Amino acid sequence: AQSVAQPEDQVNVAEGNPLTVKCTYSVSGNPYLFWYVQYPNRGLQFLLKYITGDNLVKGSYGFEAEFNKSQTSFHLKKPSALVSDSALYFCAVRDPNTNAGKSTFGDGTTLTVKP
Amino acid sequence: SQTIHQWPATLVQPVGSPLSLECTVEGTSNPNLYWYRQAAGRGLQLLFYSVGIGQISSEVPQNLSASRPQDRQFILSSKKLLLSDSGFYLCAWSPAPGAGNQPQHFGDGTRLSIL
Repeated sequence: AQSVAQPEDQVNVAEGNPLTVKCTYSVSGNPYLFWYVQYPNRGLQFLLKYITGDNLVKGSYGFEAEFNKSQTSFHLKKPSALVSDSALYFCAVRDPNTNAGKSTFGDGTTLTVKP
Repeated sequence: SQTIHQWPATLVQPVGSPLSLECTVEGTSNPNLYWYRQAAGRGLQLLFYSVGIGQISSEVPQNLSASRPQDRQFILSSKKLLLSDSGFYLCAWSPAPGAGNQPQHFGDGTRLSIL
C-alpha cells in the first residue's frame, strides 16, 4: 500500500522569503514522487517529480524539492516566494509496481504568500 | 502536444436526475484515464480508472459509473444523483504503463452542485 501525508493544512509566508511545503510518504519499494499545484476552480498542474538520481529536483516556476529516503520525505521548496505562488499544493506518490500508474495524493496544503 | 478537455465547467442538477460528464484527450494514444472527486478544495478521491477501451476499475462503491467507449473518451455517469454527489470532478490522463514515471495531466474540472 502507498500513502502520503502533508502535515500542514496551511502555510503562510511573506513575499521574498523562502517557503517549504512538507510531504512524507510510505511505499513498499522505491517511490515515484510528484508535486502538483492547483489554482481556484482549475485542475492540478504538474510541478516536478522525483524518479531516481539526484535527490534535489528542480521544476517549474522556480520550485524545487528534496528527496530524503531515510526520512521518507519530499518537501517542496522555493528560495523566494511570490504572491502569485499562493495556491493549493499536492504531493503524490506512486509505487512503480502498481497497475495503471495510480497515484495517491495528499490532502493538500494551502500556501498563502503575503505582500 | 497533448490536451485534455472536460465539460461542462459547472453543472447544477436536481436530486434524482441523471448525470453525464465527458472527458476527451487529444494528441496521445492508449492513455490511462482517471476520474477523481475533490470535496471542498481538499484531497482527491480516485473514483475510476481505465487502462483501455471498455476496461473500467472502480475504486469506491458509489452512485456513479464510468465508461470508455473510445480510446480517448471517458464518461462519468449516474442514473439518479444524490446530494452527496456534489463536488468538483476532475478527469486526468497519463501515458500507458511503460512510462509509469510520468505525471498525470488534469482537465479543468466540472463543479457539480446538487439541489
